[in-house]
Amino acid sequence: QSVLTQPPSVSAAPGQKVTISCSGSSSNIGNNYVSWYQQLPGTAPKLLIYDNNKRPSGIPDRFSGSKSGTSATLGITGLQTGDEADYYCGTWDSSLSAHVVFGGGTKLTVL
Amino acid sequence: QVQLQESGPGLVKPSQTLSLTCTVSGGSISSGGYYWSWIRQHPGKGLEWIGYIYYSGSTYYNPSLKSRVTISVDTSKNQFSLKLSSVTAADTAVYYCARGNYGDYYWYFDLWGRGTLVTVSS
Repeated sequence: QSVLTQPPSVSAAPGQKVTISCSGSSSNIGNNYVSWYQQLPGTAPKLLIYDNNKRPSGIPDRFSGSKSGTSATLGITGLQTGDEADYYCGTWDSSLSAHVVFGGGTKLTVL
Repeated sequence: QVQLQESGPGLVKPSQTLSLTCTVSGGSISSGGYYWSWIRQHPGKGLEWIGYIYYSGSTYYNPSLKSRVTISVDTSKNQFSLKLSSVTAADTAVYYCARGNYGDYYWYFDLWGRGTLVTVSS
């Protein structure tokens, strides 16, 4: 059971837009920045978004992030078949057992 | 550019200690500013953060694993290592080393190794 809750799967057609949600609490998302990672099949995770909505160099602006209260959202526009991957959100949890926490991951299928 | 590479045994017997090393190339751990981390992923599952070490040697571990984890750093070799004791089949996972960025209210990992599968089995 992950501390952050993500939908197990989402799907959309090529060229369309999709959003992936990440729900947490005041001890994590509510008071800390969120990051997002893309994990293509058989590869290591790759940083997509940090500090809620910033993109590292080389990440296309088709990928965007936002946060409101205790939830965060990853948006992907102009879907491509190469976007098929697992997506994870992550943040710091400031509870008594403070540590980095991740969502359970969302499998994106581009139909 | 900076790259990370994990190395170590792919098979560990139950009750023994899992030992992995991450070699950092293209940059120096001693330059500071980053928190060198271990993260694992159980087969078909999500990510679990294990802990980090700073170049100075200060560490912080996931409370759920703290009693069994030791992370150390060798700045002369530009490496950091993970030891996980008393392993069971539940520790079978792909283990990643990653470069952590940490500050006021933010934590993220901008570089990852390719990962190494460690299987716990007799």
